[in-house]
Amino acid sequence: NAGVMQNPRHLVRRRGQEARLRCSPMKGHSHVYWYRQLPEEGLKFMVYLQKENIIDESGMPKERFSAEFPKEGPSILRIQQVVRGDSAAYFCASSLENYNEQFFGPGTRLTVL
Amino acid sequence: DAKTTQPTSMDCAEGRAANLPCNHSTISGNEYVYWYRQIHSQGPQYIIHGLKNNETNEMASLIITEDRKSSTLILPHATLRDTAVYYCIVRAIYNQGGKLIFGQGTELSVKP
Repeated sequence: NAGVMQNPRHLVRRRGQEARLRCSPMKGHSHVYWYRQLPEEGLKFMVYLQKENIIDESGMPKERFSAEFPKEGPSILRIQQVVRGDSAAYFCASSLENYNEQFFGPGTRLTVL
Repeated sequence: DAKTTQPTSMDCAEGRAANLPCNHSTISGNEYVYWYRQIHSQGPQYIIHGLKNNETNEMASLIITEDRKSSTLILPHATLRDTAVYYCIVRAIYNQGGKLIFGQGTELSVKP
Protein backbone atom coordinates (compact mmCIF):
# COMPACT_ATOMS: atom_id res chain seq x y z
CA ASN A 1 0.00 0.00 0.00
CA ALA A 2 1.70 3.16 -1.19
CA GLY A 3 2.06 5.93 1.31
CA VAL A 4 1.08 9.55 0.93
CA MET A 5 2.61 11.02 -2.19
CA GLN A 6 3.44 14.64 -2.77
CA ASN A 7 4.75 16.36 -5.85
CA PRO A 8 6.77 18.13 -6.75
CA ARG A 9 9.31 17.46 -4.00
CA HIS A 10 11.05 20.74 -4.71
CA LEU A 11 9.51 23.80 -6.31
CA VAL A 12 11.19 27.10 -7.14
CA ARG A 13 9.11 30.14 -7.97
CA ARG A 14 9.82 33.82 -8.48
CA ARG A 15 7.91 36.40 -6.51
CA GLY A 16 4.47 36.93 -7.98
CA GLN A 17 4.16 33.52 -9.60
CA GLU A 18 1.73 30.80 -8.60
CA ALA A 19 2.65 27.59 -6.78
CA ARG A 20 0.58 24.40 -7.00
CA LEU A 21 1.36 21.59 -4.60
CA ARG A 22 -0.22 18.17 -5.05
CA CYS A 23 -1.02 15.47 -2.54
CA SER A 24 -2.28 11.95 -3.20
CA PRO A 25 -3.54 10.36 0.02
CA MET A 26 -3.08 6.75 1.00
CA LYS A 27 -5.46 4.36 -0.71
CA GLY A 28 -8.84 4.43 0.96
CA HIS A 29 -8.17 7.64 2.90
CA SER A 30 -10.66 10.43 2.31
CA HIS A 31 -9.35 12.90 4.90
CA VAL A 32 -6.46 15.18 3.91
CA TYR A 33 -4.56 17.74 5.99
CA TRP A 34 -1.99 20.32 4.98
CA TYR A 35 0.73 21.59 7.31
CA ARG A 36 3.47 24.15 6.82
CA GLN A 37 6.91 24.24 8.38
CA LEU A 38 8.74 27.53 8.03
CA PRO A 39 12.55 27.44 8.29
CA GLU A 40 13.67 26.73 11.85
CA GLU A 41 10.05 26.64 13.06
CA GLY A 42 7.53 24.01 14.05
CA LEU A 43 4.80 22.38 12.04
CA LYS A 44 1.61 24.42 11.75
CA PHE A 45 -1.77 23.15 10.65
CA MET A 46 -3.22 24.90 7.63
CA VAL A 47 -6.35 23.15 6.35
CA TYR A 48 -8.36 19.94 6.64
CA LEU A 49 -10.39 18.62 3.72
CA GLN A 50 -12.64 15.67 3.18
CA LYS A 51 -13.54 14.79 -0.39
CA GLU A 52 -14.87 17.96 -2.06
CA ASN A 53 -15.35 19.72 1.29
CA ILE A 54 -13.20 22.04 3.37
CA ILE A 55 -13.79 21.06 6.99
CA ASP A 56 -11.37 23.36 8.81
CA GLU A 57 -9.30 26.13 7.24
CA SER A 58 -8.48 27.93 10.47
CA GLY A 59 -4.74 27.79 9.76
CA MET A 60 -4.85 29.12 6.23
CA PRO A 61 -3.63 32.65 5.54
CA LYS A 62 -6.60 34.80 4.58
CA GLU A 63 -5.27 35.79 1.19
CA ARG A 64 -3.52 34.06 -1.71
CA PHE A 65 -3.87 30.52 -0.30
CA SER A 66 -6.53 28.01 -1.30
CA ALA A 67 -6.99 24.26 -1.13
CA GLU A 68 -9.21 21.72 -2.79
CA PHE A 69 -9.74 17.97 -2.74
CA PRO A 70 -11.84 17.05 -5.76
CA LYS A 71 -13.88 13.89 -6.12
CA GLU A 72 -11.26 12.54 -8.50
CA GLY A 73 -7.57 13.28 -8.31
CA PRO A 74 -5.17 14.66 -5.75
CA SER A 75 -5.62 17.42 -3.25
CA ILE A 76 -4.15 20.72 -4.39
CA LEU A 77 -2.72 23.53 -2.27
CA ARG A 78 -2.52 26.66 -4.36
CA ILE A 79 -0.53 29.75 -3.48
CA GLN A 80 -1.07 32.77 -5.70
CA GLN A 81 1.41 35.63 -6.10
CA VAL A 82 4.03 33.97 -3.94
CA VAL A 83 6.28 36.06 -1.69
CA ARG A 84 9.61 35.17 -0.09
CA GLY A 85 7.87 34.49 3.22
CA ASP A 86 6.02 31.57 1.60
CA SER A 87 9.32 29.65 1.36
CA ALA A 88 8.77 26.61 3.53
CA ALA A 89 8.20 22.87 3.58
CA TYR A 90 4.57 21.95 2.97
CA PHE A 91 3.46 18.57 4.26
CA CYS A 92 0.31 16.71 3.44
CA ALA A 93 -1.17 13.99 5.63
CA SER A 94 -4.11 11.63 5.24
CA SER A 95 -6.23 9.50 7.51
CA LEU A 96 -8.93 6.89 7.20
CA GLU A 97 -11.32 8.76 9.48
CA ASN A 98 -10.87 12.13 11.15
CA TYR A 99 -10.06 10.51 14.50
CA ASN A 100 -7.48 8.02 13.14
CA GLU A 101 -3.74 8.55 13.03
CA GLN A 102 -2.47 10.73 10.22
CA PHE A 103 0.21 9.55 7.81
CA PHE A 104 2.44 12.17 6.29
CA GLY A 105 3.97 12.56 2.88
CA PRO A 106 7.60 13.55 2.23
CA GLY A 107 6.72 17.19 1.74
CA THR A 108 7.19 19.82 -0.95
CA ARG A 109 9.95 22.34 -0.37
CA LEU A 110 8.97 25.66 -1.87
CA THR A 111 11.64 28.26 -2.51
CA VAL A 112 10.59 31.72 -3.60
CA LEU A 113 13.32 33.76 -5.25
CA ASP B 1 -6.68 20.40 22.64
CA ALA B 2 -4.54 20.29 25.76
CA LYS B 3 -0.99 21.56 25.76
CA THR B 4 2.02 19.34 26.30
CA THR B 5 5.43 20.00 27.81
CA GLN B 6 8.54 18.15 26.68
CA PRO B 7 12.27 18.62 27.33
CA THR B 8 13.94 20.51 24.53
CA SER B 9 16.66 17.93 23.96
CA MET B 10 17.96 14.58 25.16
CA ASP B 11 20.91 12.33 24.45
CA CYS B 12 20.90 8.55 24.39
CA ALA B 13 23.65 6.01 23.83
CA GLU B 14 23.19 3.67 20.90
CA GLY B 15 21.70 0.35 21.96
CA ARG B 16 20.25 1.73 25.19
CA ALA B 17 16.62 2.53 25.86
CA ALA B 18 15.51 6.06 25.13
CA ASN B 19 12.83 7.32 27.51
CA LEU B 20 11.12 10.50 26.35
CA PRO B 21 8.81 12.16 28.88
CA CYS B 22 5.78 14.32 28.22
CA ASN B 23 3.58 16.27 30.61
CA HIS B 24 -0.05 16.85 29.74
CA SER B 25 -1.52 17.86 33.07
CA THR B 26 -4.65 19.41 31.58
CA ILE B 27 -5.61 16.42 29.46
CA SER B 28 -9.30 15.63 29.51
CA GLY B 29 -11.00 12.26 29.56
CA ASN B 30 -11.73 12.17 25.84
CA GLU B 31 -8.20 12.95 24.68
CA TYR B 32 -5.64 10.50 23.33
CA VAL B 33 -1.87 10.87 23.61
CA TYR B 34 -0.13 10.63 20.22
CA TRP B 35 3.58 10.47 19.43
CA TYR B 36 5.14 11.43 16.12
CA ARG B 37 8.74 12.00 15.11
CA GLN B 38 10.42 13.97 12.37
CA ILE B 39 13.77 12.77 11.13
CA HIS B 40 15.81 15.67 9.76
CA SER B 41 13.55 17.37 7.22
CA GLN B 42 11.40 14.38 6.35
CA GLY B 43 7.65 14.19 6.85
CA PRO B 44 6.52 13.42 10.38
CA GLN B 45 6.18 9.73 11.14
CA TYR B 46 3.42 8.29 13.31
CA ILE B 47 4.80 6.21 16.18
CA ILE B 48 2.08 5.24 18.62
CA HIS B 49 -0.95 6.50 20.51
CA GLY B 50 -2.95 5.57 23.59
CA LEU B 51 -5.82 6.59 25.83
CA LYS B 52 -5.09 5.21 29.28
CA ASN B 53 -3.60 1.76 28.92
CA ASN B 54 0.03 1.17 28.08
CA GLU B 55 0.59 0.41 24.43
CA THR B 56 3.35 -1.34 22.50
CA ASN B 57 4.03 -1.78 18.83
CA GLU B 58 7.00 -2.67 16.68
CA MET B 59 8.48 0.80 17.05
CA ALA B 60 7.98 1.77 20.68
CA SER B 61 6.11 1.49 23.95
CA LEU B 62 3.90 4.14 25.47
CA ILE B 63 3.49 4.31 29.23
CA ILE B 64 0.68 6.56 30.49
CA THR B 65 0.44 7.32 34.19
CA GLU B 66 -2.71 6.32 36.03
CA ASP B 67 -3.84 9.94 36.40
CA ARG B 68 -3.05 10.48 32.68
CA LYS B 69 -1.18 13.69 33.42
CA SER B 70 2.05 12.44 31.91
CA SER B 71 3.42 9.76 29.62
CA THR B 72 6.73 8.29 28.48
CA LEU B 73 7.66 7.07 25.04
CA ILE B 74 10.20 4.26 25.18
CA LEU B 75 12.43 3.25 22.31
CA PRO B 76 13.81 -0.01 23.70
CA HIS B 77 17.08 -0.19 21.76
CA ALA B 78 17.86 3.18 20.22
CA THR B 79 19.84 3.29 16.99
CA LEU B 80 21.50 6.20 15.21
CA ARG B 81 18.51 6.27 12.85
CA ASP B 82 16.26 7.16 15.78
CA THR B 83 17.88 10.60 15.98
CA ALA B 84 14.92 12.92 15.38
CA VAL B 85 12.55 15.43 16.93
CA TYR B 86 9.83 13.63 18.89
CA TYR B 87 6.44 15.25 19.33
CA CYS B 88 3.91 14.41 22.02
CA ILE B 89 0.41 15.55 21.06
CA VAL B 90 -2.93 15.24 22.82
CA ARG B 91 -5.96 15.04 20.63
CA ALA B 92 -9.66 14.63 21.33
CA ILE B 93 -11.43 11.44 20.40
CA TYR B 94 -13.74 12.05 17.45
CA ASN B 95 -12.07 15.42 16.98
CA GLN B 96 -14.13 16.84 14.18
CA GLY B 97 -11.39 19.30 13.40
CA GLY B 98 -8.89 16.50 12.80
CA LYS B 99 -5.84 18.70 13.12
CA LEU B 100 -2.68 17.89 15.03
CA ILE B 101 -1.16 20.68 17.09
CA PHE B 102 2.62 20.29 17.18
CA GLY B 103 4.70 21.82 19.94
CA GLN B 104 8.46 22.20 19.86
CA GLY B 105 9.10 18.54 20.64
CA THR B 106 12.20 16.85 22.06
CA GLU B 107 15.30 16.66 19.91
CA LEU B 108 16.72 13.20 20.59
CA SER B 109 20.34 12.59 19.67
CA VAL B 110 21.46 8.98 19.66
CA LYS B 111 25.21 8.78 20.00
CA PRO B 112 27.57 5.88 19.19
